[in-house]
Amino acid sequence: SQTIHQWPATLVQPVGSPLSLECTVEGTSNPNLYWYRQAAGRGLQLLFYSVGIGQISSEVPQNLSASRPQDRQFILSSKKLLLSDSGFYLCAWRGVEQYFGPGTRLTVT
Amino acid sequence: KQEVTQIPAALSVPEGENLVLNCSFTDSAIYNLQWFRQDPGKGLTSLLLIQSSQREQTSGRLNASLDKSSGRSTLYIAASQPGDSATYLCAVMGSGTYKYIFGTGTRLKVLA
Repeated sequence: SQTIHQWPATLVQPVGSPLSLECTVEGTSNPNLYWYRQAAGRGLQLLFYSVGIGQISSEVPQNLSASRPQDRQFILSSKKLLLSDSGFYLCAWRGVEQYFGPGTRLTVT
Repeated sequence: KQEVTQIPAALSVPEGENLVLNCSFTDSAIYNLQWFRQDPGKGLTSLLLIQSSQREQTSGRLNASLDKSSGRSTLYIAASQPGDSATYLCAVMGSGTYKYIFGTGTRLKVLA
């Protein structure tokens, strides 16, 4: 069966520090991969998606970036965090249905 | 541009009631529609997927229907239980795209 992992589960980072969130999927190959952000009391915002290794589509230009170095690995990064980057970050993969990871709670202080 | 709306935003019902959650979308050219639930502080759990050629899907006490022509989907929950308390989200994938557009969700509370 397929499993999706995200880490860390929680993160507290100061403004201006870098960020790296990792997501890996097991039990499937060549999945579509997605990064979402859910700010407090707000809906789900698609940040990036990828249909293959090295192929990244950006939905939000801002100060975030994504990379897919391996088929089942998706990384979300930032060089300098802003207060507005705080939120709940969710990774997802899609075969027929879409499945979500457990999420990372990021607080920028 | 596809827009997805969920009504009501919040709902509180006594245990045992049958209830209907609504999802509407503006562009009927969809590839599929998926319903999710989200518990506080958790990721989303897939409930039901309806592909564009289907009219409904059922899983246990859940039944989801799709009417593309009217731009609507409903999630029917039979005999609600306190464990059904969560936020329910619908998501629509347009034809020829790889991404879902999510509604803002319905926050359901089932009272014991």
